[in-house]
Amino acid sequence: GDSVTQMEGPVTLSEEAFLTINCTYTATGYPSLFWYVQYPGEGLQLLLKATKADDKGSNKGFEATYRKETTSFHLEKGSVQVSDSAVYFCALIDSWGKLQFGAGTQVVVTP
Amino acid sequence: NAGVTQTPKFQVLKTGQSMTLQCAQDMNHEYMSWYRQDPGMGLRLIHYSVGAGITDQGEVPNGYNVSRSTTEDFPLRLLSAAPSQTSVYFCASSYGTSGGPTYEQYFGPGTRLTVT
Repeated sequence: GDSVTQMEGPVTLSEEAFLTINCTYTATGYPSLFWYVQYPGEGLQLLLKATKADDKGSNKGFEATYRKETTSFHLEKGSVQVSDSAVYFCALIDSWGKLQFGAGTQVVVTP
Repeated sequence: NAGVTQTPKFQVLKTGQSMTLQCAQDMNHEYMSWYRQDPGMGLRLIHYSVGAGITDQGEVPNGYNVSRSTTEDFPLRLLSAAPSQTSVYFCASSYGTSGGPTYEQYFGPGTRLTVT
């Protein structure tokens, strides 16, 4: 079935460093892809999304491009802040219309 | 709008006890769902509903029941709690189509459940 694989964490960075979180997917067809963020003690929030190949989603300085040829949707941010410390989930909508999540990647940004 | 609300925030149960986790949304969303979150496993879908009176099973439905008598409410019932059900439970809602959620899902703050 459809699935999402993302890099394991924790990822520890210094403030202003460049962040990349790798995400690849397996799916029939071309699913919509999402990044969700979970701040400590909170539920998940949609960070960005892309609905077709070559779409770029962006929000709060984060970007991810839907790459059909590599079945990837890597999340990037050029200069992270301490407030970006969170768990990031890559997800897709599968052929049954349900969200499938990756395992999550914890990001820790130190001052 | 309050968004998606969940109660309680924390709960401790003994093995064999039953309880209901409450979830409500005030956005008139058709689609509601319950997930459990376990370390290293992301979120797994327990049950979902595409509208009042319609529910279906997700990936890990065993040991849980749901009902959807109104658009706003989607309670999750644990029939006989087991230690394997220790987890964080999230309720989510979205505008949806008959095929499932195609719009942004809004998540509640979660219920942390411990079964001893």
